[in-house]
Amino acid sequence: SQELEQSPQSLIVQEGKNLTINCTSSKTLYGLYWYKQKYGEGLIFLMMLQKGGEEKSHEKITAKLDEKKQQSSLHITASQPSHAGIYLCGADPRGGSEKLVFGKGTKLTVNP
Amino acid sequence: EAEVAQSPRYKITEKSQAVAFWCDPISGHATLYWYRQILGQGPELLVQFQDESVVDDSQLPKDRFSAERLKGVDSTLKIQPAELGDSAMYLCASSSRGNYGYTFGSGTRLTVV
Repeated sequence: SQELEQSPQSLIVQEGKNLTINCTSSKTLYGLYWYKQKYGEGLIFLMMLQKGGEEKSHEKITAKLDEKKQQSSLHITASQPSHAGIYLCGADPRGGSEKLVFGKGTKLTVNP
Repeated sequence: EAEVAQSPRYKITEKSQAVAFWCDPISGHATLYWYRQILGQGPELLVQFQDESVVDDSQLPKDRFSAERLKGVDSTLKIQPAELGDSAMYLCASSSRGNYGYTFGSGTRLTVV
């Protein structure tokens, strides 16, 4: 079965700093999703990557999927307190099944 | 913007009692998922519906959990009897056919005491 490992588990940064969260898969990624979760709430969809080498950006968040499609990174530029939360990567293990396997998440704290 | 509705938001129940959660997906979404998220972990799929049919319930503890989506629209997840280890966030999500990247509801946080 596919497993996703996220690093770091938690991250504390000063407002304005850049940061990167990584997601490494035990198998080839057919679709890699990034979600954000506020404590006690549901998941908010950020981005989806499918092609090796693909890169997508939304506001100050950029996600990349490496060429071999086994690792993804999420980069936040000039972090703000509103970026705080838990970032989860999810993957479709069979490509087309539509169910997702998730990593354990990275907890981000941004200090003003 | 369309949302996946879940209720209740919070539920506290005693061990051995029955509990039920409700989910109303985005209108027209054929696929509905129930995930369970234990504190500090990522969500894990419990059951996946395509219209009213179960596609995958391999991770659903069938001795105590049941799920239904009778008319292919809203869905109910039931636990009977609840155990202390069932304390978690129960998340519902829905997607349209062939659409990758689905929408999650706000979840139901269950505490079993």
